[in-house]
Amino acid sequence: IAGITQAPTSQILAAGRRMTLRCTQDMRHNAMYWYRQDLGLGLRLIHYSNTAGTTGKGEVPDGYSVSRANTDDFPLTLASAVPSQTSVYFCASSEAGATDTQYFGPGTRLTVL
Amino acid sequence: GQNIDQPTEMTATEGAIVQINCTYQTSGFNGLFWYQQHAGEAPTFLSYNVLDGLEEKGRFSSFLSRSKGYSYLLLKELQMKDSASYLCAGMDSNYQLIWGAGTKLIIKP
Repeated sequence: IAGITQAPTSQILAAGRRMTLRCTQDMRHNAMYWYRQDLGLGLRLIHYSNTAGTTGKGEVPDGYSVSRANTDDFPLTLASAVPSQTSVYFCASSEAGATDTQYFGPGTRLTVL
Repeated sequence: GQNIDQPTEMTATEGAIVQINCTYQTSGFNGLFWYQQHAGEAPTFLSYNVLDGLEEKGRFSSFLSRSKGYSYLLLKELQMKDSASYLCAGMDSNYQLIWGAGTKLIIKP
């Protein structure tokens, strides 16, 4: 079934640890995005990639890094997790341009203690 | 600054009609999106408006007024499964989406 998968579904992490959230899509979409969603706030863009080999910073990039080695995968890394990074993380993709519909993965619920 | 405003919560009755409003301020404008998000799930696309007017799609319609920085989502013949959060998002001049916090819609029988 075509779509976006994320792993893990949920994770509890000690502060200071390194963590990579995985995102894979099989729709051959060019653009991919990472968002965080916190209670009472809108989705906030962390990083994005318009095409394989390129990445860009979103609204809240500090403490996060991404890579886009191929079309399908877009991992998000927290180099040294802090409690303020406790959130639900959504990966999304769109076919070509930014005005195209974004399709979201099921999310990763991350708790940093 | 950029901002999206929408009500935090609304309640409606099964079978009725509800209108969810959204006002936006973005640096430039490249369209207005509405997404639906059920609790614990991912957002799913409902509509995209870039020109003024009403776009109808089954029980859901979306309206845009660019001069007023205003949009609404109209849901007709409400069903219990429509209980969800509805997210409004404006696209700025850099083609990045600015998201509202969402409107939680509660449907009562």
